[in-house]
Amino acid sequence: GESVGLHLPTLSVQEGDNSIINCAYSNSASDYFIWYKQESGKGPQFIIDIRSNMDKRQGQRVTVLLNKTVKHLSLQIAATQPGDSAVYFCAEIITGANSKLTFGKGITLSVRP
Amino acid sequence: DSGVTQTPKHLITATGQRVTLRCSPRSGDLSVYWYQQSLDQGLQFLIQYYNGEERAKGNILERFSAQQFPDLHSELNLSSLELGDSALYFCASSVEATALAKNIQYFGAGTRLSVL
Repeated sequence: GESVGLHLPTLSVQEGDNSIINCAYSNSASDYFIWYKQESGKGPQFIIDIRSNMDKRQGQRVTVLLNKTVKHLSLQIAATQPGDSAVYFCAEIITGANSKLTFGKGITLSVRP
Repeated sequence: DSGVTQTPKHLITATGQRVTLRCSPRSGDLSVYWYQQSLDQGLQFLIQYYNGEERAKGNILERFSAQQFPDLHSELNLSSLELGDSALYFCASSVEATALAKNIQYFGAGTRLSVL
């Protein structure tokens, strides 16, 4: 069936550098995407979302980019901090009744001091 | 703190047993979702309830069942437990029933189930 996947299982970055976490989705009908962050011992936490009618959305230190042509989603974290160390999930959904959120497998971001 | 409360945090039991996981949604949220997270399967959607009624089903085994009570808390029942059921079980809640943009799901801290 359709699935959401992440390109890299782990990402190690230097504190202060920018991080880019990538995600490929396969369902071209998906029209809403979310990034979640999961810290150790906690549940996934909403970071930022984007609708398919947009190609970029910015939050506080985070930016999500959507390229529908190649079905690619990325999360950019500016000036990565130790507190950003976590597992990041992208998720996709087709908005409407009886649709469910499909999560990718997750990527671990490790921030080196 | 997401506002979603799950109990217990940890559960250790034996194969063949039955356990009940509990979830209290955020105040005002009518939808509750259950997910299973294991190392090799990631986050898998199990089931959704909205205002007491089952709304959507995912990859939920027949040995598993859930319900949502009038006070909107939900319970996930896992029976005839097998070693492979060891996982983190998350509950999430949202305001709406349908998959709308901005109908964000907020997750609890999870229950870690270990079946020995």
